[in-house]
Amino acid sequence: EAGVAQSPRYKIIEKRQSVAFWCNPISGHATLYWYQQILGQGPKLLIQFQNNGVVDDSQLPKDRFSAERLKGVDSTLKIQPAKLEDSAVYLCASSSTVTEAFFGQGTRLTVV
Amino acid sequence: GNSVTQMEGPVTLSEEAFLTINCTYTATGYPSLFWYVQYPGEGLQLLLKATKADDKGSNKGFEATYRKETTSFHLEKGSVQVSDSAVYFCALIEFNFGNEKLTFGTGTRLTIIP
Repeated sequence: EAGVAQSPRYKIIEKRQSVAFWCNPISGHATLYWYQQILGQGPKLLIQFQNNGVVDDSQLPKDRFSAERLKGVDSTLKIQPAKLEDSAVYLCASSSTVTEAFFGQGTRLTVV
Repeated sequence: GNSVTQMEGPVTLSEEAFLTINCTYTATGYPSLFWYVQYPGEGLQLLLKATKADDKGSNKGFEATYRKETTSFHLEKGSVQVSDSAVYFCALIEFNFGNEKLTFGTGTRLTIIP
């Protein structure tokens, strides 16, 4: 089965610019997660979707971050405007049960 | 809320040494427990899991036993190889009526030297 696809793999932007990441989950997976992984830290959940509804966005900095899941399938995560501290790897994951989540390779964002 | 505490790294071992990476958790109920591995330049991969007390997850020579009495899920391997060099994350999911969240520890970087 195809895995979770993310693009782009790498992105370098200047602070105050905007950026968008895309995720295509495994077909049929109802749950989609976006995580932020800062260097040397564990992944931190930003937002969780169940189909196209938001289940948890309590740690999403809503003044600059936004996310949507179109028709309960693909998802985009946007940052506008970016700050230096947003430099991290952004991971997308999907799951169909509570017993496993599958991760994409991530997008490494560098804000300069 | 739920949390995972992992042994701090980095950990450096010689090839064929015995490995233990400690993991303890805090949860209100009965979570499923996981070890994920992140090889250099790659995404997170599930290494092994256990879904109830006393279950043992195993894969690629790694093992971890779900110990409810000590709220632990320590990762072990009897003889490590250079190819095991990676970052290892302990994680849990607890059933919460559709609001299940995958919570991670901070990760332990393992380096195996020949």
